[in-house]
Amino acid sequence: GQNIDQPTEMTATEGAIVQINCTYQTSGFNGLFWYQQHAGEAPTFLSYNVLDGLEEKGRFSSFLSRSKGYSYLLLKELQMKDSASYLCAVRGSGNTPLVFGKGTRLSVIA
Amino acid sequence: DVKVTQSSRYLVKRTGEKVFLECVQDMDHENMFWYRQDPGLGLRLIYFSYDVKMKEKGDIPEGYSVSREKKERFSLILESASTNQTSMYLCASSFGGSSYEQYFGPGTRLTVT
Repeated sequence: GQNIDQPTEMTATEGAIVQINCTYQTSGFNGLFWYQQHAGEAPTFLSYNVLDGLEEKGRFSSFLSRSKGYSYLLLKELQMKDSASYLCAVRGSGNTPLVFGKGTRLSVIA
Repeated sequence: DVKVTQSSRYLVKRTGEKVFLECVQDMDHENMFWYRQDPGLGLRLIYFSYDVKMKEKGDIPEGYSVSREKKERFSLILESASTNQTSMYLCASSFGGSSYEQYFGPGTRLTVT
């Protein structure tokens, strides 16, 4: 079976840094993806990790520890437009479809 | 730019009607997927396809069927719509291979009354 956990909601202040955690238990592992989804819109791809370590992309970074079944998405210099849901998704073995967590709704406040 | 389009943004149907949701992608992707998204439940996989005329059941296939007659088009069919199928339906596509992300369409909000 596959299980992906992430917090339901988080609130952070404009200009601050926020870390959204994701833990997973899957049969097989072929990569972890983060998506951003604004209300009423489709999810859009943010990052992909398959090896341990940190991947940085501008204000967004994503970290993976395969031995701990753990990832986080780090958002720096938060802006109001970062208010959205952030979805953690794991690919198990081979070319199987992504399995998504329930998402973390982030609210950025002034 | 990858484009995944869905036939309708909003759809209202009556209980018992047969409903077709169409999805088209323009990037020659091998893989296509149908998810539904409900508050508190997240994205759940209904069906997926790795190639033309191929289909695989996802986690919640009951009450749904799919068709993939052409590589770029993947249709979701609700044989007899029920109120518990009121949901946001999202289509996605990707290249084959484990490192490729899935691209999503804008979604169809289906209401069954």
